[in-house]
Amino acid sequence: EAEVAQSPRYKITEKSQAVAFWCDPISGHATLYWYRQILGQGPELLVQFQDESVVDDSQLPKDRFSAERLKGVDSTLKIQPAELGDSAMYLCASSQTTGVNTEAFFGQGTRLTVV
Amino acid sequence: GESVGLHLPTLSVQEGDNSIINCAYSNSASDYFIWYKQESGKGPQFIIDIRSNMDKRQGQRVTVLLNKTVKHLSLQIAATQPGDSAVYFCAENTGTASKLTFGTGTRLQVTL
Repeated sequence: EAEVAQSPRYKITEKSQAVAFWCDPISGHATLYWYRQILGQGPELLVQFQDESVVDDSQLPKDRFSAERLKGVDSTLKIQPAELGDSAMYLCASSQTTGVNTEAFFGQGTRLTVV
Repeated sequence: GESVGLHLPTLSVQEGDNSIINCAYSNSASDYFIWYKQESGKGPQFIIDIRSNMDKRQGQRVTVLLNKTVKHLSLQIAATQPGDSAVYFCAENTGTASKLTFGTGTRLQVTL
């Protein structure tokens, strides 16, 4: 069964350091999402790609966060510098296309701890 | 801004009983809703979805009900099993960009 792959599963980093997460969506899925999930809360959308283009990054803290999907396939989310408040689960999801009634499939996530 | 929310943070049910998880949404423009199940340390897993032109949809042991008049969504799980223990989120899709907005979740605890 096709899955969204994310790595690493866990990451511990010191405050002010740079950290990066990688996501490989399900093959053929044009839409890719990065979500942040704080413990005990629902996922919050950070950025949404349609192929290689950003569709929505209104909730992405652009002073420290960046995301790219250069070839419209896999994607990288970077934080520089990391802050204590960035500790969370970072989830990647993908769907076949943008539009109504589009189910998004999630990866296992990357658990980030900033110390 | 408008958001999706849940009435009960924790629901405890006995194995074999039926579970009902509720969700209130405030964006009347939302036209597609999804229920996700999230187990500890894992990503959300799709359970069932419903379009705004429907009132009810059934899956295997699960039923989703949509009441657009009061902007309410519910997930019913029949014959709840220990493996159903997880956090359940409703999510709404608004507009053509497929942006999913999640609520804060309900933890379902199944007791033996």
